[in-house]
Amino acid sequence: EDKVVQSPLSLVVHEGDTVTLNCSYEVTNFRSLLWYKQEKKAPTFLFMLTSSGIEKKSGRLSSILDKKELSSILNITATQTGDSAIYLCAARGANSKLTFGKGITLSVRP
Amino acid sequence: GAGVSQSPRYKVTKRGQDVALRCDPISGHVSLYWYRQALGQGPEFLTYFNYEAQQDKSGLPNDRFSAERPEGSISTLTIQRTEQRDSAMYRCASSLGDGFYGYTFGSGTRLTVV
Repeated sequence: EDKVVQSPLSLVVHEGDTVTLNCSYEVTNFRSLLWYKQEKKAPTFLFMLTSSGIEKKSGRLSSILDKKELSSILNITATQTGDSAIYLCAARGANSKLTFGKGITLSVRP
Repeated sequence: GAGVSQSPRYKVTKRGQDVALRCDPISGHVSLYWYRQALGQGPEFLTYFNYEAQQDKSGLPNDRFSAERPEGSISTLTIQRTEQRDSAMYRCASSLGDGFYGYTFGSGTRLTVV
C-alpha cells in the first residue's frame, strides 16, 4: 500500500526563521511528488517534483526531491505570518492517484 | 470556469438519506478526482475520471458511494443511505490530464450526517 509520512506534525516558529518540512514516501512506480499549502479553503499547489526536475524554487520557498532516499523537503526562508498553514505532501504512482501525508501545521508567530 | 467549483459548500443531512455532491472542473481539464478529507488528515483518494470514463474507483469505501461524469465535464459524487461516519470534507480536483500535471482543488463540500 502506498504511504506518505510527513514530519514534524506541527511546529511553531517566529517571523524571520527558516523552516524545513520533511516528507518521505513509499509509492509503487513513483512518478512525481507534490507540495500543497492548505489554509482555510482549498489546498493550493506549490511544487511538483519529478525525476527530471528534482529541485524547484519560488521566492522564499524551495523544494528538493531525493529519489535515492525516497524523500523530499520543503524549505521556507524568512518566514512570515502569512506562511501559517498546513503543508501537504503527496506522491503519485503509476495509477495517477495522489497519496497524501497527514500534513504539517506551521504556525509563524509575529 | 476560472477554478474548480463545488456545490453545495455545506450539507447537513439525516442518517439514511441520499446526498449528491457536485463538482464543476476547470474548463478543458481532462482529469477529475474526488478525495475525502477528515479533520487533521490529508485528503484520501476516492475515484477519478479521464473525460467521462471512470479510471479508478478503488478508493470508494463501499457500494453506497458512486460517481459519474456523463459528459466529461461536471461530476457528481453520490452517497446513498448516509451514515455518520460519512461526515467529512469532500474535495474535487481537476488537472489537464493524466501524468505529470498538478491538481487544482475546489473548496470542498462539508458533509455532516446527523
